[in-house]
Amino acid sequence: AQSVTQLGSHVSVSEGALVLLRCNYSSSVPPYLFWYVQYPNQGLQLLLKYTTGATLVKGINGFEAEFKKSETSFHLTKPSAHMSDAAEYFCAVSGRGGSEKLVFGKGTKLTVNP
Amino acid sequence: NAGVTQTPKFRILKIGQSMTLQCTQDMNHNYMYWYRQDPGMGLKLIYYSVGAGITDKGEVPNGYNVSRSTTEDFPLRLELAAPSQTSVYFCASRSGLAGGPHGTDTQYFGPGTRLTVL
Repeated sequence: AQSVTQLGSHVSVSEGALVLLRCNYSSSVPPYLFWYVQYPNQGLQLLLKYTTGATLVKGINGFEAEFKKSETSFHLTKPSAHMSDAAEYFCAVSGRGGSEKLVFGKGTKLTVNP
Repeated sequence: NAGVTQTPKFRILKIGQSMTLQCTQDMNHNYMYWYRQDPGMGLKLIYYSVGAGITDKGEVPNGYNVSRSTTEDFPLRLELAAPSQTSVYFCASRSGLAGGPHGTDTQYFGPGTRLTVL
């Protein structure tokens, strides 16, 4: 069975500082990995995804994530936080075995301080 | 394209009442999903559908029912509302185009329905 662990339910950074949101996964087959963002009172929006190929994936709004198979990780980073990045971020995994279902982590709420 | 739309946005139910949460997508997507989101718990899959006439249970299906008579619509039915069903409900869809690897295409989410059962 697949699972996702997001380390830290709340992360607080200063504007302009590095953003690092951690995600580790468990999967019996090489996974597809996703990061979604949820702004207050809205649905989820895809930030980026890893399916095949290059392990460093660039997404929208300056975010990127690196798939590290040896560490079973897919951490999300952004070099310089902006106030508009304040939101909740979800890591998700789906399998390559024909499963159509995403399994989500519990989410990390990012606060950006001025 | 409106994308994925959900109605209502908010609803308060009394214990034992029933209601249907509506979900419509105008992207001609094959796959549709219902999730519930509880604080600090992420999203849990309730039901999903891989096409009109085909539905299957997700992780937390008890207390809910679905149908998929058309490609566009995927309503979620609560028959006997309970306080444990107080949550935010999200509908999502993805194309699921044949010929590509399963699960790589993006899921698009609706804005959610906030349901309170008292």
